[in-house]
Amino acid sequence: GAGVSQSPRYKVAKRGQDVALRCDPISGHVSLFWYQQALGQGPEFLTYFQNEAQLDKSGLPSDRFFAERPEGSVSTLKIQRTQQEDSAVYLCASSLAGLAGEETQYFGPGTRLLVL
Amino acid sequence: LAKTTQPISMDSYEGQEVNITCSHNNIATNDYITWYQQFPSQGPRFIIQGYKTKVTNEVASLFIPADRKSSTLSLPRVSLSDTAVYYCLVGEPLGSARQLTFGSGTQLTVLP
Repeated sequence: GAGVSQSPRYKVAKRGQDVALRCDPISGHVSLFWYQQALGQGPEFLTYFQNEAQLDKSGLPSDRFFAERPEGSVSTLKIQRTQQEDSAVYLCASSLAGLAGEETQYFGPGTRLLVL
Repeated sequence: LAKTTQPISMDSYEGQEVNITCSHNNIATNDYITWYQQFPSQGPRFIIQGYKTKVTNEVASLFIPADRKSSTLSLPRVSLSDTAVYYCLVGEPLGSARQLTFGSGTQLTVLP
């Protein structure tokens, strides 16, 4: 596709429910990032993949958050036993190469998660 | 990670030039300075990136002084559609790619 796509765009979950958020990066992009954006705040880094390898997950707020990218393309962010504080927009971004340098990250539209 | 400081909000009028300054006093030697724009209900969009001196593209200019402790995003002749949040970021290598740290950004409101 022409850009990064994410699905669903909106998700309402009951507290305690598990959710899965999908990201389709730009074809051929090596690097994939997940961010969490609270209302009125800038995006905060969650985790990063280079191809299928998860190289950094230091931003994941708890062990209820899990991300995978098994074939080095599509990625899924899973949140188990959702809590109200998980309500946020979850953004996915991809960049072309895995080489050091000034890579531009291309963002998807995000998934807005509301936990009731 | 280098921390950035930028104004919370700015107002301007259509047709004016807007300059948004960002401070990044502890920028590292390998860091690049990048600006993103975000509209409501959309993901951030890359505007411009630079390392030093001046960079210009079809959308904006980026001025970086010699000490690199600050940078200024310049938007020429803004229009109503430029109303958005603008983020200044400095990036460090993360393994073999770049991690971005966003602050709260600057809400630019362009008035008619």
